Amino acid sequence: GESVGLHLPTLSVQEGDNSIINCAYSNSASDYFIWYKQESGKGPQFIIDIRSNMDKRQGQRVTVLLNKTVKHLSLQIAATQPGDSAVYFCAENKFRSGGSNYKLTFGKGTLLTVNP
Amino acid sequence: DAMVIQNPRYQVTQFGKPVTLSCSQTLNHNVMYWYQQKSSQAPKLLFHYYDKDFNNEADTPDNFQSRRPNTSFCFLDIRSPGLGDAAMYLCATSRVPFGLASTDTQYFGPGTRLTVL
Repeated sequence: GESVGLHLPTLSVQEGDNSIINCAYSNSASDYFIWYKQESGKGPQFIIDIRSNMDKRQGQRVTVLLNKTVKHLSLQIAATQPGDSAVYFCAENKFRSGGSNYKLTFGKGTLLTVNP
Repeated sequence: DAMVIQNPRYQVTQFGKPVTLSCSQTLNHNVMYWYQQKSSQAPKLLFHYYDKDFNNEADTPDNFQSRRPNTSFCFLDIRSPGLGDAAMYLCATSRVPFGLASTDTQYFGPGTRLTVL
């Protein structure tokens, strides 16, 4: 279902440390996952995606890991910088019947704060 | 090189006064989406267009309507805004051809922050 709730999980790290943001997804049939970064007052920005036939994908300073057995997704940010401070959402592309075939469903989001 | 553009960025309206939010895209994508996002929450899909085909979400109130006059533009109309409609409204696009392609990224605009007085 849709994400609800007023309190975001938070993660606070020191500049230069590595960050790991976790996400549990709901549908074992979901076959595509995206991580978005959303800074205050802005729209979500695409970071990295992964298909279900992979378990790891790397980008620039970011790595996404997918564990389909336990329906878990994680985003690793290397050498975290103050500019990485934002809310991070995972999203799964869930198949559904009727209308369009797929719907992108967002997780609750995690607020990452990077301390200088 | 903005790809998804939303205007205005901030909109103030009065309770019950109709308001229209605008979205345009330079990606020539087939699909355009409107999301509502309230503070500290995830974006919630309101509806989307596959080309000219409108797809409403089951739980989207009738107060919310949309128009897509051409590929590039999509509008969100709120007929009688209530205080509970104050939120960030996000437009997104994706390339997905009708019916298939589960692996297609959605690209978001910067959003319009709506305030209802």
